[in-house]
Amino acid sequence: QKEVEQNSGPLSVPEGAIASLNCTYSDRGSQSFFWYRQYSGKSPELIMFIYSNGDKEDGRFTAQLNKASQYVSLLIRDSQPSDSATYLCAVYNAGGTSYGKLTFGQGTILTVHP
Amino acid sequence: GAGVSQSPSNKVTEKGKDVELRCDPISGHTALYWYRQSLGQGLEFLIYFQGNSAPDKSGLPSDRFSAERTGGSVSTLTIQRTQQEDSAVYLCASSSRGTAGNTIYFGEGSWLTVV
Repeated sequence: QKEVEQNSGPLSVPEGAIASLNCTYSDRGSQSFFWYRQYSGKSPELIMFIYSNGDKEDGRFTAQLNKASQYVSLLIRDSQPSDSATYLCAVYNAGGTSYGKLTFGQGTILTVHP
Repeated sequence: GAGVSQSPSNKVTEKGKDVELRCDPISGHTALYWYRQSLGQGLEFLIYFQGNSAPDKSGLPSDRFSAERTGGSVSTLTIQRTQQEDSAVYLCASSSRGTAGNTIYFGEGSWLTVV
């Protein structure tokens, strides 16, 4: 089992729709969860992070965390063509043998079509 | 500096040559990470530094790869006797344990092509 798993997609949604990106992780000791966006040929850029169970909203983005299910998701409301990118889920563990390690999923390719 | 700085931004090298990639983290950031990303692939963890020590070297692909960090700042990733499968973008990131979320910021990467 991979440490962090994402649906590879590609995920295609029409402009204005809600895009839902999902991620599961295997280490129950994980403490912080991040979503990064990566445009083709560019480095990842941070969108959001979340620590606590529940929802965290920032503009059109909502991160959802369920530690019991080891599941984190990202919702993008009112999707725009400029949101088309690869979205990377990352999980951080600051204790034990994974001290300080940020582990990434394989990424989900999102395409928002006009 | 204002952001994570990496050099060179692009490097083309012949198979069998050694290469050095440099990372200058954000000022004050104690944690530094190296990742590798091959074309169309996810991020592969290579090594993590806390200060000058490397508590996690588990991702280094082979003994041809090594990394060091001096003065708690600049880090160098060295690849000896490069092979074509080493072609990838090498991403460096840094974070400060004191900041909210231990947010990790990436540099623009060093694009390595081995011919």
